[in-house]
Amino acid sequence: QVQLQESGPGLVKPSQTLSLTCTVSGGSISSGGYYWSWIRQHPGKGLEWIGYIYYSGSTYYNPSLKSRVTISVDTSKNQFSLKLSSVTAADTAVYYCARDDYDYDAFDIWGQGTMVTVSS
Amino acid sequence: EIVLTQSPATLSLSPGERATLSCRASQSVSSYLAWYQQKPGQAPRLLIYDASNRATGIPARFSGSGSGTDFTLTISSLEPEDFAVYYCQQRSNWFTFGPGTKVDIK
Repeated sequence: QVQLQESGPGLVKPSQTLSLTCTVSGGSISSGGYYWSWIRQHPGKGLEWIGYIYYSGSTYYNPSLKSRVTISVDTSKNQFSLKLSSVTAADTAVYYCARDDYDYDAFDIWGQGTMVTVSS
Repeated sequence: EIVLTQSPATLSLSPGERATLSCRASQSVSSYLAWYQQKPGQAPRLLIYDASNRATGIPARFSGSGSGTDFTLTISSLEPEDFAVYYCQQRSNWFTFGPGTKVDIK
C-alpha cells in the first residue's frame, strides 16, 4: 500500500529556509485523483494545512503562509517537497506530508511526521 | 477562512460508554467534513469523510452525522484504544482543522 516518508533537517536557524521532502512508496505520485499536501502541528497544538501540489505541478497554498511557501514535485523520484522561507521560532512544529484523496475530500494517508526546530 | 469549533475540549468517559463529539463550522461546509483520530506520537488517522462515510478499515462503532454547520462524531461503545484526540477538518474553503477534543479515561 502507499506509504509516505518525510525527510530533512531537524534544526533550522532563524531567517533561513526550511526544506523537507516526502517520498511516496507503493504507488505513483502521478496517479490522478490525489493531491499531495504538507500539514504541520505546533507542539501540543492543533493541525495547520500548509499547501498541496498535484502531480502536474499545480499548487494551492494556505493564504496565511503563501508568501513564504513553495511546494514542488519530482515525478521521476516519486517525491514532493516543501520550502518555507524566513523561518522563526513560530515555525517550530512537526511537519507531516499527506495524501488528499479527491474522492474522500480528506487526508487518507499520512507520513509519520518529522520534528523541525527553529533555533540558533 | 472557515473556523471550526469543537466541543467539549475534553470528554472523560469509561470504556463501554458512548462518546458524542461536536464540530461546528463558522459557515456552511456542506458535507465536506472529515474526522481524524490522533494518538500521542502518531500521525492523525482518517476515520470519517464526507460527514458520514467511514474510511477503509474503521470499525462500525465510529459514525458521523451532520451537514451545513453542525456535525457529530459518535463512538457507540468506547474501546481502550479509542482514548485519543479527535479532530474535525473541512475542505469547503481550502482546509482547516478544529482544535480537537480529547477523550480520556474517567
